[in-house]
Amino acid sequence: VQLVQSGGGVVQPGRSLRLSCAASGFTFSSYGMHWVRQAPGKGLEWVAFTSYDGRNKYYAEFVKGRFTISRDNSEDTLYLQLNSLGAEDTALYYCANSPGARTHFDSWGQGTLVTVSS
Amino acid sequence: QTVVTQEPSFSVSPGGTVTLTCALSSGSVSSRHFPSWYRQTPGRPPRTLMFDTNIRSPGVPHRFSGSILDSRAALTITGAQADDESDYFCVLYVGVGVWLFGGGTKVTVL
Repeated sequence: VQLVQSGGGVVQPGRSLRLSCAASGFTFSSYGMHWVRQAPGKGLEWVAFTSYDGRNKYYAEFVKGRFTISRDNSEDTLYLQLNSLGAEDTALYYCANSPGARTHFDSWGQGTLVTVSS
Repeated sequence: QTVVTQEPSFSVSPGGTVTLTCALSSGSVSSRHFPSWYRQTPGRPPRTLMFDTNIRSPGVPHRFSGSILDSRAALTITGAQADDESDYFCVLYVGVGVWLFGGGTKVTVL
């Protein structure tokens, strides 16, 4: 199983960024997928989930309509669109898969750093 | 606002036993919260240890076990080794589409 992340970087407050997570080594279209983040020196925080088919999507309360999780099962890729970014969104963002009807995070990506700074 | 609480830190002697817990501010933790546990060392992504309360992920040593103890999810390390030194995080599934992480426990083996 490999989850290879890309798309992080430095962005100004109020701007947008799109993160990607390319999957291989498992049947991507059969797995739910999550985004989890970790602010510098802090703990882990769940961000968003999409079901295997993309029909069901859930977000943490702090997202407040600013982030959108999506997936392309034809390309085995997960995305997270980040809009209206603020300094509090500065974090290492991880993608993780969730097999079948399970609720846990199984395999993790390497993380991609998002820094929001003027 | 519901929060998940873990002990900030624990110290254990090599060969000793330590039990980390995961409490839910809104009430008792049960198997319906599908407790899961992860470990993380500095600069590395998390690694899954345990899910559905007590199912070990592939490759996780048997010295790690999960349970529900006094209305909390628990992770016990029996016969701690030096390379068990790490941060440990629990996750509870608290409602449809809501996952909450605990703040993490830093385990020191000395």
